[in-house]
Amino acid sequence: EVQLEESGGGLVQPGGSLRLSCAASGFEFNFYWMHWVRQAPGKGLLWVARVNRDGSIANYADSVKGRFTISRDNAKNTVYLQMRSLRVEDTAVYFCARVSDTGSSGFPFDYWGQGSLVTVSS
Amino acid sequence: SYVLLQPPSVAVAPGKTARITCGGDNVEAKSVHWYQQKPGQAPLLVIYYDTDRPSGIPERFSGSNSGDMATLTISRVEVGDEADYYCHVWDRDADQVVFGGGTKLTVL
Repeated sequence: EVQLEESGGGLVQPGGSLRLSCAASGFEFNFYWMHWVRQAPGKGLLWVARVNRDGSIANYADSVKGRFTISRDNAKNTVYLQMRSLRVEDTAVYFCARVSDTGSSGFPFDYWGQGSLVTVSS
Repeated sequence: SYVLLQPPSVAVAPGKTARITCGGDNVEAKSVHWYQQKPGQAPLLVIYYDTDRPSGIPERFSGSNSGDMATLTISRVEVGDEADYYCHVWDRDADQVVFGGGTKLTVL
């Protein structure tokens, strides 16, 4: 059974840093690109970042470029999201998600974690 | 960057047909995926590649994509279909995933 479990969320002050983790199980982790998607309270889904199979390629939403870094450790079946210079508007539930195929782009998200809440507030 | 536009809300009576639209410039040239999200839950894929349905999703859910509009159609709507629905495409020019703003389906 495919499972994705996020951790690392919490309360952080504006300008602070936080690292989210997403532990994967039930599939060949190193075969799949992995993504982070966030959802501000009462708002819609917003894509954040993606990383390729070996961690050598990453793409980001314009709103987080230069502040967030996505990475992965295939030995630990885990994808990370390092968040720096956090802003109040980064407050959201952060989901990790797997695409349905081993290719690079255009695929749907077939599995999602339950999300980790990040609150940026003073 | 590419933009997908969805109506904020759609309301339909039980047993009727709901149509949720997702507008984008020449969206028919892209593959559109649809997700259902209920309160406090992660999104669930209900339609992928415009028209395909994952196993376990009722046949009442269908999709289409033509011109500048993709549509998610839910036939014989049930109370349990009440949720937020999001469309999703890949913007190859920007190397970014794009979601529509979401549509809240209310079953009257």
